[in-house]
Amino acid sequence: DIQMTQSPSSLSASVGDRVTITCRASQSISNYLNWYQQKPGKAPKLLIYGASTLLSGVPSRFSGSGSGTDFTLSISSLQPEDFATYYCQQSHTPPLYTFGQGTKLEMK
Amino acid sequence: QVQLVESGGGVVQPGRSVRLSCAASGFTFSDFGMHWVRQAPGKGLEWVALIWYDGSNKHNVESVKGRFTISRDNSKNTLYLEMSSLRVEDTAVYYCARDLRRRPAAGTGFDYWGQGTLVTVSS
Repeated sequence: DIQMTQSPSSLSASVGDRVTITCRASQSISNYLNWYQQKPGKAPKLLIYGASTLLSGVPSRFSGSGSGTDFTLSISSLQPEDFATYYCQQSHTPPLYTFGQGTKLEMK
Repeated sequence: QVQLVESGGGVVQPGRSVRLSCAASGFTFSDFGMHWVRQAPGKGLEWVALIWYDGSNKHNVESVKGRFTISRDNSKNTLYLEMSSLRVEDTAVYYCARDLRRRPAAGTGFDYWGQGTLVTVSS
């Protein structure tokens, strides 16, 4: 099974900062990588699929990149509503749609 | 607008059964594959099961095989998860989620989620 490892597990940042979260797959997954945002007590929200395609309505300050085993989610200028937990998910080997362990983005 | 509303959760004893439902509205339910994803308290997300748009193909994660059954009734716009032989480690919030496609495949994602229903397995 493909394992997904995110780093860091938690991150403190301030409004206006640029932040980057990394996701590494245990084997190549091409560009079959999704990013989700989850706020406390809420359902996850799909932000990016196919490593870099933003879902309609997602602010352009979010961007994704990478292929193979290494991927990044970047937020160019943090807004107050961006503080949340972010999960990557591989969709290379259906039906096992494995998630990373999550990265909690907290306000400094 | 797309809405997914789960129900059926609660406290259940180990070894017992429960059926979760997910009522869909705001889109053509029969055009999309569907999933169940769970999240144990304070933990990350775990994909549990998927079903194709027409119910012809289903898959479960290994840890629930033989115990959980996903199904759908397209005439009622409803997704189900029948859970049996429940274990303490099945305690989680269970989310239903819509796939981007009719037949979940490589490159897909889960674009709409319900609010979740909590299943607590405890004696």
